[in-house]
Amino acid sequence: QVQLVEAGGGVVQPGGSLRLSCAASGFTFSGYAMHWVRQAPGKGPEWMAVISFDGSNEYYGESVKGRFTISRDNSKNRLYLQMNSLRAEDTAVYYCARSLNSGYYSPHDYWGQGTLVTVSS
Amino acid sequence: EIVLTQSPGTLSLSPGERATLSCRASQSLSSNYLAWYSQKPGQAPRLLIYGASRRATGIPDRFSGSGSGTDFTLSVSRLEPEDFAVYYCHQYGTLYTFGQGTKLEIK
Repeated sequence: QVQLVEAGGGVVQPGGSLRLSCAASGFTFSGYAMHWVRQAPGKGPEWMAVISFDGSNEYYGESVKGRFTISRDNSKNRLYLQMNSLRAEDTAVYYCARSLNSGYYSPHDYWGQGTLVTVSS
Repeated sequence: EIVLTQSPGTLSLSPGERATLSCRASQSLSSNYLAWYSQKPGQAPRLLIYGASRRATGIPDRFSGSGSGTDFTLSVSRLEPEDFAVYYCHQYGTLYTFGQGTKLEIK
């Protein structure tokens, strides 16, 4: 069965960095675009970034463009999110999510359990 | 950025009743790239509907989606106890955005 397991969350000071990872299993990872989506406490989901199935293209939401970088290693079935210059408003549960198909015009059909990132001094 | 506005904010109904949730987009959605998710506390969102009206794998047929352009609806024909949750609409035609959610609570 499809499984997505995030790791790497924790408490970080404003201005700091953190790298999240997502281990994928149960499907052909290299055949799907992958996303990072976050959800602040009591708020709706906010899409962060998407990477193409082969890692050749990436797109970002305006709130994280220039600070966050999405990447993937298809040989290890892993997705990553490098987060720099973190701010208090980046505090949220971060989910990795799979596209329903290989393309961008697709909703997210599988989600991980999420990892909590807290930005606080 | 396409903004999705959901209504009502909270919907109070009893099991067995019919629920109707709305989602309005700030501009027309290409190819009806609109999905619906449900989310329970402490869990990730669960995909219910995509392409405005197609049920995701394993979703019971009491869930149905309709609409086009800027106005979309999620209907739940006969509410079961497990259907009480927060529901989000999501557009994936111009990057990706989510609505603010509708909380479906037991009356």
